[in-house]
Amino acid sequence: AQSVTQPDIHITVSEGASLELRCNYSYGATPYLFWYVQSPGQGLQLLLKYFSGDTLVQGIKGFEAEFKRSQSSFNLRKPSVHWSDAAEYFCAVDFTGGGNKLTFGTGTQLKVEL
Amino acid sequence: GAGVSQSPSNKVTEKGKDVELRCDPISGHTALYWYRQSLGQGLEFLIYFQGNSAPDKSGLPSDRFSAERTGGSVSTLTIQRTQQEDSAVYLCASSRGTEYEQYFGPGTRLTVT
Repeated sequence: AQSVTQPDIHITVSEGASLELRCNYSYGATPYLFWYVQSPGQGLQLLLKYFSGDTLVQGIKGFEAEFKRSQSSFNLRKPSVHWSDAAEYFCAVDFTGGGNKLTFGTGTQLKVEL
Repeated sequence: GAGVSQSPSNKVTEKGKDVELRCDPISGHTALYWYRQSLGQGLEFLIYFQGNSAPDKSGLPSDRFSAERTGGSVSTLTIQRTQQEDSAVYLCASSRGTEYEQYFGPGTRLTVT
């Protein structure tokens, strides 16, 4: 079955430190890849997406992600974390290629220490 | 502009009752999606509407769940004879259809007692 794995349930980083959130998916072809962020009481907000082309994509709030086909990974990174980045982060994959059904990972809860 | 709105924001119901959850998509968006977010199952796709095409109902967990979309805009998700395992946050999203970015609403938190 197609699946999305976020191996880290919780991550704690100090403000100003770098961040990498991991995401792996199971599939043969290149699916459409997304990262969403969910702050407490808020809806899901799209950070960035990858469909094709340059494998390093830039998103909002200073986030970037790199697609690595050989590793079936789409890890999210930020060079310097701010306290306001504390939230839950979801990797999502559209395996259908039609942009209509997202399969989500279980999420990574990010805590930022001041 | 206005985003996706959902109502009610919270709903508490007794086991066995029917509930209706409403979603107002972004104006002009032809595609509308329902997802469910629960502690045990994470975020799950439920159903997808695109224009006048037949909806993709492949994610609905049982025949107690149904959804309709009237006039290509507002959508209602109905859960009949609610069970405690239906307790979750129900999220609606919309997109332009030909693009792939889904915009999510704030969700409806359903609690079945």
